[in-house]
Amino acid sequence: GAVVSQHPSRVICKSGTSVKIECRSLDFQATTMFWYRQFPKQSLMLMATSNEGSKATYEQGVEKDKFLINHASLTLSTLTVTSAHPEDSSFYICSAGRSPHEQYFGPGTRLTVT
Amino acid sequence: EDQVTQSPEALRLQEGESSSLNCSYTVSGLRGLFWYRQDPGKGPEFLFTLYSAGEEKEKERLKATLTKKESFLHITAPKPEDSATYLCAVQGIQGAQKLVFGQGTRLTINP
Repeated sequence: GAVVSQHPSRVICKSGTSVKIECRSLDFQATTMFWYRQFPKQSLMLMATSNEGSKATYEQGVEKDKFLINHASLTLSTLTVTSAHPEDSSFYICSAGRSPHEQYFGPGTRLTVT
Repeated sequence: EDQVTQSPEALRLQEGESSSLNCSYTVSGLRGLFWYRQDPGKGPEFLFTLYSAGEEKEKERLKATLTKKESFLHITAPKPEDSATYLCAVQGIQGAQKLVFGQGTRLTINP
């Protein structure tokens, strides 16, 4: 149990376009999901906390209008990178909390903006 | 502000050579300390959650321990398949379920 999926696993897009990444908890319901960003050989940096049925909470320095988060159901959260630029290229990882003490991660999405 | 520091940054061991990874933390009220394993290009895989000083948890060749200021991940007789980056994270009582991660330790086990 406790499986989190992400789609797509890899995406290449042109500068100026938008990209949507899905995060699903497959075998449990998650009222809270998290979105992280990871640069090569660096640790995970929390971008935002996604709460089902309410607005996401963004970390300091993360642009709300650029990284749109929607948590429409207890098993699905989406991250949309709007007007992507090459500096947005990164590894994006979501996690879902089965309980406050259990947080499981998806396999990640490699975004490359050309 | 919650902070996590992991050491060493990288560690190379021979197969069968036991060692420990360190995770030092400061947090305003610890809800839990998490250990994850991450393989290149993949998401972190959950290993352990520790909640209070003195607690220990084991899984195969891994054993995690916790004090009020740090946690250790002991690796006994490691195998090449244990090679990965090991991440430590803390969850404070004030940050909802938010995790603050350390930089990780890149572990390489040579056959």
